Amino acid sequence: GAGVSQSPSNKVTEKGKDVELRCDPISGHTALYWYRQRLGQGLEFLIYFQGNSAPDKSGLPSDRFSAERTGESVSTLTIQRTQQEDSAVYLCASSLDNNYGYTFGSGTRLTVV
Amino acid sequence: QKEVEQNSGPLSVPEGAIASLNCTYSDRGSQSFFWYRQYSGKSPELIMFIYSNGDKEDGRFTAQLNKASQYVSLLIRDSQPSDSATYLCAVKNTGRRALTFGSGTRLQVQP
Repeated sequence: GAGVSQSPSNKVTEKGKDVELRCDPISGHTALYWYRQRLGQGLEFLIYFQGNSAPDKSGLPSDRFSAERTGESVSTLTIQRTQQEDSAVYLCASSLDNNYGYTFGSGTRLTVV
Repeated sequence: QKEVEQNSGPLSVPEGAIASLNCTYSDRGSQSFFWYRQYSGKSPELIMFIYSNGDKEDGRFTAQLNKASQYVSLLIRDSQPSDSATYLCAVKNTGRRALTFGSGTRLQVQP
C-alpha cells in the first residue's frame, strides 16, 4: 500500500480482556517495528521483524505481549489480560531495512478501562 | 543516564528566527541519527537523517552531527508557526536493530 496502515485506530477495552492490533506495512518494506507511546512520553521500542529472521522481542514489557508477522506482510500485536498501564498509542513502522528511517502508521490508541 | 536525551522544552522562538534543537546520546558507537517531527495527536514523520560528522542541509533544515562530543542537532531556519511540533531524535545504537528515540523537544513558533 501507499503507507503503513494500522487498525483499529481506537480501541477501548475492559481490564483483563485480550486485544489484537494490526499493522499492514508498505509493500516491499522488509523491516517492521512496533513502538508504544504513552501520553506525553517518547517512543518505547517493543518488537522488530526483519524478513524471515527471528524477531527482536527485547522490548516487550511482559509475557502478556506477543506479536507475529507473516512473511513480509501483515503483523499483529496481541496484548493478553490488558491492564490500565497498557493504555497508550501503539505505533507500527516499516522500512526498507533497518538502516533506513521509518515510515510510521497513524497508530492505535488503546484505552483500558 | 538515558540513551538518547533531549530537553523537553517547550522551546519558544519568534516567527522567522532560527530554532536549535539538541540531542545527546550515550552509545559512542552509534552510526545513524534521525530527526522526526510529531504534531500533536499525529504519528512521527521523518525529517532528516545524518550518518557522517558535519552538517547536512535540506531546505530550511540542517542536521549537525559531532560524534566526538556525542551530540546531534537540528536547526530550523526561518521558523514558521507550522513548525510548532515535538521533534524526536532517534539513534541507531550498536548491537540494536531498532532505533532508540529520545522523549522529544516541544517547539513553539510564535507568530
